[in-house]
Amino acid sequence: NAGVTQTPKFRVLKTGQSMTLLCAQDMNHEYMYWYRQDPGMGLRLIHYSVGEGTTAKGEVPDGYNVSRLKKQNFLLGLESAAPSQTSVYFCASSRGVGEQFFGPGTRLTVL
Amino acid sequence: KNQVEQSPQSLIILEGKNCTLQCNYTVSPFSNLRWYKQDTGRGPVSLTIMTFSENTKSNGRYTATLDADTKQSSLHITASQLSDSASYICVVSPYNAGNNRKLIWGLGTSLAVNP
Repeated sequence: NAGVTQTPKFRVLKTGQSMTLLCAQDMNHEYMYWYRQDPGMGLRLIHYSVGEGTTAKGEVPDGYNVSRLKKQNFLLGLESAAPSQTSVYFCASSRGVGEQFFGPGTRLTVL
Repeated sequence: KNQVEQSPQSLIILEGKNCTLQCNYTVSPFSNLRWYKQDTGRGPVSLTIMTFSENTKSNGRYTATLDADTKQSSLHITASQLSDSASYICVVSPYNAGNNRKLIWGLGTSLAVNP
């Protein structure tokens, strides 16, 4: 039981490049979330999903897109990376509105 | 504006000692209050979740208390261990937030336990 996994763990991009972050969970959770964590700020919700095939915007969605084609996977895309998107990205999942389980994070640097 | 403020910002204690971390919030009404532990370079891990009607909840050596009247919560760590070195984050869920989409995250208290 791996819980929540994220790939890749580290990535360096140049401004304007695109990439996709993959999140996978094996707990059969309905809800999945993408957060970013920056120094001096609390975790901020980017996008979330309440079930397969559904996505919704969170607090800071601009510059990101997501897809939930399979219940166990939640993808976060950056179409044209900007230095302001340098951050640590966390994926999380939950059965309902309670306890969230987080992945190990992806450290992204945009030059 | 809904806010969650934690104190102290950082704390250093000796192994075996107890400590208490504070969380003050202005979120009202709220559904539940959570404490997470985040090790350096890892994702947050849930320690406790308390509804507005609960006063205390324990998870091993971790005990969280909640005073909804004064809008304060504390996390008490007993007999600290080196592995307790981490950031401890207080999170408040507003009433009717739904789907965890409006959680208010504190900035955390960074705890260092020295031998």
